[in-house]
Amino acid sequence: GENVGLHLPTLSVQEGDNSIINCAYSNSASDYFIWYKQESGKGPQFIIDIRSNMDKRQGQRVTVLLNKTVKHLSLQIAATQPGDSAVYFCAEKGGSNYKLTFGKGTLLTVNP
Amino acid sequence: DAGVIQSPRHEVTEMGQEVTLRCKPISGHNSLFWYRQTMMRGLELLIYFNNNVPIDDSGMPEDRFSAKMPNASFSTLKIQPSEPRDSAVYFCASSYQAGGEQFFGPGTRLTVL
Repeated sequence: GENVGLHLPTLSVQEGDNSIINCAYSNSASDYFIWYKQESGKGPQFIIDIRSNMDKRQGQRVTVLLNKTVKHLSLQIAATQPGDSAVYFCAEKGGSNYKLTFGKGTLLTVNP
Repeated sequence: DAGVIQSPRHEVTEMGQEVTLRCKPISGHNSLFWYRQTMMRGLELLIYFNNNVPIDDSGMPEDRFSAKMPNASFSTLKIQPSEPRDSAVYFCASSYQAGGEQFFGPGTRLTVL
């Protein structure tokens, strides 16, 4: 079946560096994508989303890029801080207005 | 704003016992979701309610799992009998509308011995 996956299971960066977390998806019908952050012991928290009619969207210190040609999604975090340490999930929605399919997640560790 | 509330936060039980997980969605939200998270399978949707009615239960693994939503402010997920392979973190999420942003609760970590 269709699935959403991540290229890198772990990422370690120095405080102040920029981080890039990648995600590949296979459902060409997906039209809405979300990045979630999950800190230890907590539920996933919405970070930023993007619709398929866009290729870039910016938030506060975060940017999501969407390449529909190669079915690739990335999350860029600028000036990474220790508080950014968490597992990051991409999720996609396609075919229904409620069902999210989550990737396996990438663990981001920020070294002080 | 209290967010989505789940209880208990941790549950340890023995195989064969009944387990009931509870969820209070954010007030005013009409959509409620139960998810299960494991290392092997990641985050999976178990069941989705809209206006207290189960709309999609295709993710419920087997008949041992059941979920109810008797009113707009309360839902339960029950496992009977529980098995060790049910050990996971179970999340409840709610959204204002079916396609809206989903807000997750803190989860219940279930361990079945």
